[in-house]
Amino acid sequence: TQLLEQSPQFLSIQEGENLTVYCNSSSVFSSLQWYRQEPGEGPVLLVTVVTGGEVKKLKRLTFQFGDARKDSSLHITAAQPGDTGLYLCAGSYSSASKIIFGSGTRLSIRP
Amino acid sequence: NAGVMQNPRHLVRRRGQEARLRCSPMKGHSHVYWYRQLPEEGLKFMVYLQKENIIDESGMPKERFSAEFPKEGPSILRIQQVVRGDSAAYFCASSQRRTGGSTDTQYFGPGTRLTVL
Repeated sequence: TQLLEQSPQFLSIQEGENLTVYCNSSSVFSSLQWYRQEPGEGPVLLVTVVTGGEVKKLKRLTFQFGDARKDSSLHITAAQPGDTGLYLCAGSYSSASKIIFGSGTRLSIRP
Repeated sequence: NAGVMQNPRHLVRRRGQEARLRCSPMKGHSHVYWYRQLPEEGLKFMVYLQKENIIDESGMPKERFSAEFPKEGPSILRIQQVVRGDSAAYFCASSQRRTGGSTDTQYFGPGTRLTVL
């Protein structure tokens, strides 16, 4: 059972365009993280959101945690080729130690 | 990837051999997590360890897989009698405190890519 669904799975857009990646679940998480993974490397944490409705910005990236803490979105403004990579959302439960990962969104930005 | 070390980075084994994957957590971190990633998929939790203790092994296959985190030295993920289906990237993460509810972060290593011939 996939507890975290990410969409789209693949996205290829032109440099300068905007995009949004979604992460949805039927479960309530105590916190949710977004990671970016380059080929041949481990995931690198971009942000952690904890409070329902929370919005965090990291330069051109905007992360939002849903009010019910079941879903999240990542919005990239004016995408650049350097944004290319695999974006993973991951949720944590307060009662468990493990992180549940989504299946990822593979993003490709064309120059 | 903040200081978590994994070796080897690439490991090739023939079916039936043993694979040993090592993970040295970040300095000051006493919590270690192992994940497996198949091509084009997200990471799947395998096991969570503290020094000398297995805390949660709910994601570990029941046979052939074991993990340890001794008082001294790295954490080891051991796969006995490997099969082709074990081919994957294995990632280790470490944290300072137990995650899950807290905002303490798991930092990931670069992974070990296991290929079973």
